[in-house]
Amino acid sequence: AQTVTQSQPEMSVQEAETVTLSCTYDTSESNYYLFWYKQPPSRQMILVIRQEAYKQQNATENRFSVNFQKAAKSFSLKISDSQLGDTAMYFCAFSTTSGTYKYIFGTGTRLKVLA
Amino acid sequence: SAVISQKPSRDICQRGTSLTIQCQVDSQVTMMFWYRQQPGQSLTLIATANQGSEATYESGFVIDKFPISRPNLTFSTLTVSNMSPEDSSIYLCSVEDDAGRAFFGQGTRLTVV
Repeated sequence: AQTVTQSQPEMSVQEAETVTLSCTYDTSESNYYLFWYKQPPSRQMILVIRQEAYKQQNATENRFSVNFQKAAKSFSLKISDSQLGDTAMYFCAFSTTSGTYKYIFGTGTRLKVLA
Repeated sequence: SAVISQKPSRDICQRGTSLTIQCQVDSQVTMMFWYRQQPGQSLTLIATANQGSEATYESGFVIDKFPISRPNLTFSTLTVSNMSPEDSSIYLCSVEDDAGRAFFGQGTRLTVV
């Protein structure tokens, strides 16, 4: 069975600084997707970034980038130039690439960006 | 990306009653997913709904408690039946695109009193 672990329940960062959120996972699959989702107080789940396991290159989306270490089963999210609007819960998620794309979510990290 | 409309956005219900949550997608999708997010917790998949067949429920969730309808490729409903305070949660519907990316509705915050 797949598992996703986020070991940091809460984090804070000063505006304009950089923060890294950690995620580890466990799977016996060789190909899969990894995601980071953001859930602000509005409750809307928003896709931040996606990584395909067969790609060695780390995904990047503007100020968001990942450090994907497949052998270590690690998938961290780096937020650069943090903004107040980045304040939210961040969930790491895993999905297989076969069958029903069933998602497994981590327990989340609450990030607070301080002015 | 898909646009998903979910309603109601919130409701307060008496225990023992039922609530039906609607989910409308702006494009046709094969599968729709229903999740529960208990207070302060992560998302847990309740069931997967395919059009024209019975929903597939995850361990710990049963059809009598969470009946699901999927009458067409753009619409689904989830009913929370015979509610108790333990059912107080956020319920979210989701669809996935061909690239495996999930998109979510705004969620329904249910409080059972």
